[in-house]
Amino acid sequence: GAGVSQSPSNKVTEKGKDVELRCDPISGHTALYWYRQSLGQGLEFLIYFQGNSAPDKSGLPSDRFSAERTGGSVSTLTIQRTQQEDSAVYLCASSPHPSGQRYGYTFGSGTRLTVV
Amino acid sequence: KNEVEQSPQNLTAQEGEFITINCSYSVGISALHWLQQHPGGGIVSLFMLSSGKKKHGRLIATINIQEKHSSLHITASHPRDSAVYICAVGGTGTASKLTFGTGTRLQVTL
Repeated sequence: GAGVSQSPSNKVTEKGKDVELRCDPISGHTALYWYRQSLGQGLEFLIYFQGNSAPDKSGLPSDRFSAERTGGSVSTLTIQRTQQEDSAVYLCASSPHPSGQRYGYTFGSGTRLTVV
Repeated sequence: KNEVEQSPQNLTAQEGEFITINCSYSVGISALHWLQQHPGGGIVSLFMLSSGKKKHGRLIATINIQEKHSSLHITASHPRDSAVYICAVGGTGTASKLTFGTGTRLQVTL
């Protein structure tokens, strides 16, 4: 596609429910990143994919968080048993270069998750 | 201490003013990024730089690698420039994940 597409754009869920957030990167972009922006806080790294592999998942805050990427394209971030502190905007970014340093990054519009 | 520090946190300017936002970092980097985030909007990449200076329209970004400092300048500011400006640094590892500053909220008034 023309840009990085994220869905849903907004999600309200009850505490304890599981949620899935989707990221569709720019076609051909091999590197994909998930970031989180909590209210009043800066952006923080969650996980990095190169192709279908996740060589760096050091930012996932707990084992309730998992992510996968299939076909070197779409990625899904899953949060199990959601807690109120999971409320945030979840951003996806992709890059055509593994390091992102040659061509930079393109960000999606984010998914705003609210846990009530 | 955060690895990436921005100043000021908030900035109000009148239309037409020259604006400077500063970013200092404490880690080795491969590149520094300036990003723009409008209220309720996504993030747009403005600049990626590893040395010197880049210019795009009314926006200018500079970086001093030795001093680990970068500045974003906006000339002839306009209300549509109102946004949060975020400095981010890419690490030297193969993942090159970004580490972000906390952002500078800019409000340009008429």
